Amino acid sequence: NAGVTQTPKFRVLKTGQSMTLLCAQDMNHEYMYWYRQDPGMGLRLIHYSVGEGTTAKGEVPDGYNVSRLKKQNFLLGLESAAPSQTSVYFCASSYSFRTDYGYTFGSGTRLTVV
Amino acid sequence: AQKITQTQPGMFVQEKEAVTLDCTYDTSDPSYGLFWYKQPSSGEMIFLIYQGSYDQQNATEGRYSLNFQKARKSANLVISASQLGDSAMYFCAMRDSRDDYKLSFGAGTTVTVRA
Repeated sequence: NAGVTQTPKFRVLKTGQSMTLLCAQDMNHEYMYWYRQDPGMGLRLIHYSVGEGTTAKGEVPDGYNVSRLKKQNFLLGLESAAPSQTSVYFCASSYSFRTDYGYTFGSGTRLTVV
Repeated sequence: AQKITQTQPGMFVQEKEAVTLDCTYDTSDPSYGLFWYKQPSSGEMIFLIYQGSYDQQNATEGRYSLNFQKARKSANLVISASQLGDSAMYFCAMRDSRDDYKLSFGAGTTVTVRA
């Protein structure tokens, strides 16, 4: 089925380790987003991309980097993981910037940093 | 500044009853969209309903309806005839022209349906 696929679904990291979360969409969407979800705080935007080769900072970008070398893929990197980065990470995509277009979400990645 | 406010962290509702989830928003943009998403315990984000700022009528989708009060900047979700499967976290979200048209979320409301 068409949609947004996130890998991995679960991961445990030790403090200081690095990892990359992959988001892939097959809907030809221009816009892609990475959010983190923490209890009581809803979803907060980390980074986003408005097209291939573009990235921009969101609300909580510190400690993360992203790349969008191909239109269908949006990678989120943690260079040196910290316990504060324990969270559920969601990738989302959208066809348009228009306010009547919502997002399609991936199923999430649960990351624990110990 | 917080754009979306959901003041109810958690709610209990009896099966077959209706429940209203509150959402207020802040924007100076005349054009915006309001969305509600459901997140069951399995974790995925499920789109429920959309309301545009220029829509004259309240949105409805099956058992979901949106009580849109533009002057009060509120967009409350009403779930009628609650079912056990409605137990989940519910997020209100808004997209306007500020911040590159990004979707901003409230903190969410957890709904527990009792048999």
